[in-house]
Amino acid sequence: DIQMTQSPSTLSASVGDRVTITCRASQSINSWLAWYQQKPGRAPKLLIYKASSLESGVPSRFSGSGSGTEFTLTISSLQPDDFATYYCQQYNSYPWTFGQGTKVEIK
Amino acid sequence: EVQLLESGGGLVQPGGSLRLSCAVSGFTLSSYAMSWVRQAPGKGLEWVSTISGSGGSTYYADSVKGRFTISRDNSKNTLYLQMNSLRVEDTAVYYCAKSDGYNSGALEYWGQGTLVTVSS
Repeated sequence: DIQMTQSPSTLSASVGDRVTITCRASQSINSWLAWYQQKPGRAPKLLIYKASSLESGVPSRFSGSGSGTEFTLTISSLQPDDFATYYCQQYNSYPWTFGQGTKVEIK
Repeated sequence: EVQLLESGGGLVQPGGSLRLSCAVSGFTLSSYAMSWVRQAPGKGLEWVSTISGSGGSTYYADSVKGRFTISRDNSKNTLYLQMNSLRVEDTAVYYCAKSDGYNSGALEYWGQGTLVTVSS
């Protein structure tokens, strides 16, 4: 199985900060990586697919990059609505796997 | 507008069974892969199962293989998850989700989730 490791697990940041979350795969997943945002009590929301494609309706301050085994999610200027938990997920091969999540907290 | 609505969750004893349903609207079910993803209380997301658009291919996490069965009725616009031999560790919110492709793909739409509690 492909293991997905996110870092950091928790991130404290202020409104306006540039935030970067890293996701590493235990083997190459090409660009078959998605990023999701989840708020407490809510379903996850797709932000990025195929490593760097922005889902329709998602603000342009979100961006994704990487291929192979190392990926990043960047929020260029953190907004109050962005405080949430973020997950990466590989869909290159079954079983699909998620990272453990990164909680973005208010500093 | 794409909508996914899960139902069928509840309290069940260990060893029992439940069938979850996911009624969809706003798209042609047979054109997309569909999945179940779960989240135990206070924990992260765990992929459970995926079925292809035709229903001809199914995939399962090792933790549920042999106990859970994913299926779909495209004529009823409904996805199912039959869960047998339930264990305490199956307790979670179960989400159905639509992929952006026929056989696979990122999970672009999610339902609101249904809670399954396995306890004596």
